Amino acid sequence: DTEVTQTPKHLVMGMTNKKSLKCEQHMGHRAMYWYKQKAKKPPELMFVYSYEKLSINESVPSRFSPECPNSSLLNLHLHALQPEDSALYLCASSQDPYGSSTNEKLFFGSGTQLSVL
Amino acid sequence: AQSVTQLDSHVSVSEGTPVLLRCNYSSSYSPSLFWYVQHPNKGLQLLLKYTSAATLVKGINGFEAEFKKSETSFHLTKPSAHMSDAAEYFCVVTGPNFGNEKLTFGTGTRLTIIP
Repeated sequence: DTEVTQTPKHLVMGMTNKKSLKCEQHMGHRAMYWYKQKAKKPPELMFVYSYEKLSINESVPSRFSPECPNSSLLNLHLHALQPEDSALYLCASSQDPYGSSTNEKLFFGSGTQLSVL
Repeated sequence: AQSVTQLDSHVSVSEGTPVLLRCNYSSSYSPSLFWYVQHPNKGLQLLLKYTSAATLVKGINGFEAEFKKSETSFHLTKPSAHMSDAAEYFCVVTGPNFGNEKLTFGTGTRLTIIP
């Protein structure tokens, strides 16, 4: 299994809603990532989890709350989002968060297209 | 510190003709370089990766890229374009410590294939 699976594929939510995005991988990878991608732009890193601990937070607003319950699962909890948060949210994983770039690469999921009304 | 510049935001080629997507990089380290492809409303798929083993890197779907240190370039090529190659392509650079450094993405090149 070489897939990163994200659910849901599409999500529409109001600014007062609470929702969660889910990401799962069964490749034994110990680093997992959340990226945000606006239309016609490159992905922007939001969070990195290394061995289930948050290792990088790119100054993301607190209305985005990541969670890593176990080594295979990564969630992104959403609350009180703004319309400008509408974007494609991509999850990715890599084998070893402390590995050399020689051996590492990111595996991406297909993303959740989020619309905030 | 590192950066990557994709020289063309949009490239159009006819089906069956060669593809050239240009990427220049800047890095304080010996870099690792990647090309990723993204089809509409999809995630990113790795096309190929350079990590100093060989300067000419072959990837999936007939793509290849050549690392030229003297020109700080890592251009992506394909001899004959196919309709299914229409997508967004990202050149990416990282330093030696993959997990502890951000990948630096280029701004992307949209490839259009003319039938």
